[in-house]
Amino acid sequence: QSALTQPASVSGSPGQSITISCTGTSSDVGRFNYVSWYQQHPGKVPKLMIYEVTNRPSGVSSRFSGSKSGNTASLTISGLQAEDEADYYCNSYTSSNTLVVFGGGTKLTVL
Amino acid sequence: EVQLVESGGGLVKPGGSLRLSCAASGFTFSDTWMIWVRQAPGKGLEWVGRVKSKTNGGTADYAAPVKGRFTISRDDSENTLYLQMNSLKTEDTGAYYCTTRFCSGTSCWDEAFDIWGRGTVVTVSS
Repeated sequence: QSALTQPASVSGSPGQSITISCTGTSSDVGRFNYVSWYQQHPGKVPKLMIYEVTNRPSGVSSRFSGSKSGNTASLTISGLQAEDEADYYCNSYTSSNTLVVFGGGTKLTVL
Repeated sequence: EVQLVESGGGLVKPGGSLRLSCAASGFTFSDTWMIWVRQAPGKGLEWVGRVKSKTNGGTADYAAPVKGRFTISRDDSENTLYLQMNSLKTEDTGAYYCTTRFCSGTSCWDEAFDIWGRGTVVTVSS
């Protein structure tokens, strides 16, 4: 069982917006503003999409945005495109001995 | 070109050992904190551990499931990261990725990983 909880799947139609949640505890997501999001297409390596809750690395589309409230972080993708169909993972720094924990991943389907 | 290439994966029996390597190129390896992340078949990502740069002490930290069994080390003269895995268990099966801590300007983020290798597969089975 993953330390952070994500929905197993979400879906949306092209052009719509979707939000993926990532729920942790007061030891990780709730305590630190160190949450990142990754996109992983089948058979490919993960790609960093968001870091420090809200920041996008250079080259990542502005359609991707992050936020946090309490123990839950969220990734929002606006203007859904077919190429956004992938697995998405969150992670967070944590005060436990395991310094970084991941969510179980969410499969995004673009209908 | 910035690149990470893992090697050393394979089939090993429970209780056995394996050493993974990750060859880095295209960036200043010695200044970079390196991380191992694994992914069991059909499952999510799991942080395995990290090693800091020598200028930051060169120490390693590990996830609870592997602490005491796995050792992360680096050879900056060879631009290579290692993962020595001992007392392997079936639950250690998966793809192992090396990756880098993301930095922008003078700031770095311990939970953000930007450069990834393609991974090497470890199968622990009798």
